[in-house]
Amino acid sequence: AQKVTQAQTEISVVEKEDVTLDCVYETRDTTYYLFWYKQPPSGELVFLIRRNSFDEQNEISGRYSWNFQKSTSSFNFTITASQVVDSAVYFCALSEGSAGTALIFGKGTTLSVSS
Amino acid sequence: EPEVTQTPSHQVTQMGQEVILRCVPISNHLYFYWYRQILGQKVEFLVSFYNNEISEKSEIFDDQFSVERPDGSNFTLKIRSTKLEDSAMYFCATQEGDRNQPQHFGDGTRLSIL
Repeated sequence: AQKVTQAQTEISVVEKEDVTLDCVYETRDTTYYLFWYKQPPSGELVFLIRRNSFDEQNEISGRYSWNFQKSTSSFNFTITASQVVDSAVYFCALSEGSAGTALIFGKGTTLSVSS
Repeated sequence: EPEVTQTPSHQVTQMGQEVILRCVPISNHLYFYWYRQILGQKVEFLVSFYNNEISEKSEIFDDQFSVERPDGSNFTLKIRSTKLEDSAMYFCATQEGDRNQPQHFGDGTRLSIL
């Protein structure tokens, strides 16, 4: 069973639309961390946000916002007023256990924003 | 802002040859990782390294692979006797040591096995 599920393979929107990328995770640990990374067409992995399992406070950073809900094991990512530069693959990732453990990535969601 | 640096950016090698991928971590980081991403697929964990030894490895990281930090700065991934299926992007990541901190990734090395 997948530990990180990103059910949306591809999403296409037009500039200025809002878009939400879904992430559902599975873990038995009570302490864990969740992350979102962005992979633009150039290929690098860019860190966007981290959340620990004890902090369910939602976060907003500019046009980005994240909704963490332990009750549904979800950590969704919303881009408001999307721009062409937001076009990328977005990965949700989970880290379990003690410091230094692996990131378990979802399969990613490819977001295409057209002008 | 400090960066993780990987070299080379692209490596083309004949099947059966050995390759060494190099990574310069961010200076105060203590944990080091290698991940790979086969074209169009998700990022997969290979190995983590702490205090000069492997702390965790995946099923992918078999005897064909090895890691070391030979000079206290560079962190290397060696692949012996490469196979066609080793073709992928290989990412190095480093982390401060507090699991509350994110792993920072290098730009990757694209490995092409012919």
